[in-house]
Amino acid sequence: DQQVKQNSPSLSVQEGRISILNCDYTNSMFDYFLWYKKYPAEGPTFLISISSIKDKNEDGRFTVFLNKSAKHLSLHIVPSQPGDSAVYFCAARDSNYQLIWGAGTKLIIKP
Amino acid sequence: ETGVTQTPRHLVMGMTNKKSLKCEQHLGHNAMYWYKQSAKKPLELMFVYSLEERVENNSVPSRFSPECPNSSHLFLHLHTLQPEDSALYLCASSFTLGSNQPQHFGDGTRLSIL
Repeated sequence: DQQVKQNSPSLSVQEGRISILNCDYTNSMFDYFLWYKKYPAEGPTFLISISSIKDKNEDGRFTVFLNKSAKHLSLHIVPSQPGDSAVYFCAARDSNYQLIWGAGTKLIIKP
Repeated sequence: ETGVTQTPRHLVMGMTNKKSLKCEQHLGHNAMYWYKQSAKKPLELMFVYSLEERVENNSVPSRFSPECPNSSHLFLHLHTLQPEDSALYLCASSFTLGSNQPQHFGDGTRLSIL
């Protein structure tokens, strides 16, 4: 059973609007969460992270929110740009320091 | 530039062949990882090395054999693979195992088993 789930395989957003990508997890022992972005034919690239002791982390256009009680993580991108079109992966770190990954959400930014 | 280089980028092999995937990092990292990514599935961690010692082997079949000769290089030796082993194989490195520094990925080797 997947411990990290990204329930939306794809998401389409108008350029300039907000993109919200969601991630749910089941293991309350996860202590660190990360978002990665992946373009075709390239490896995943780190985007932003958040420790379990925080509920928000912001870096430019990217903000990650963590709701521990709901075991829910979200990534907000505002304003969305065409270059943001990619697959976004959510990952969580377990007690063995391993990253457990979601299956990814393909974000399409429409001009 | 990712700092983590994987070769080859593409590999087609028969089930009886033996080949190796190579990963090289020049980031001064001490931990290296092999992942498998099948279509529309999460990345699956295969092996973890920390300071050239294998610290994790996630029930990976013995037809996959990792080697870490030094902290900059990681290999994945392949032999008698099955069609279901066709996937993207990603190498990653991080400063140390368990640090809050993120893992850096190579661009992967796309492996196809005939």
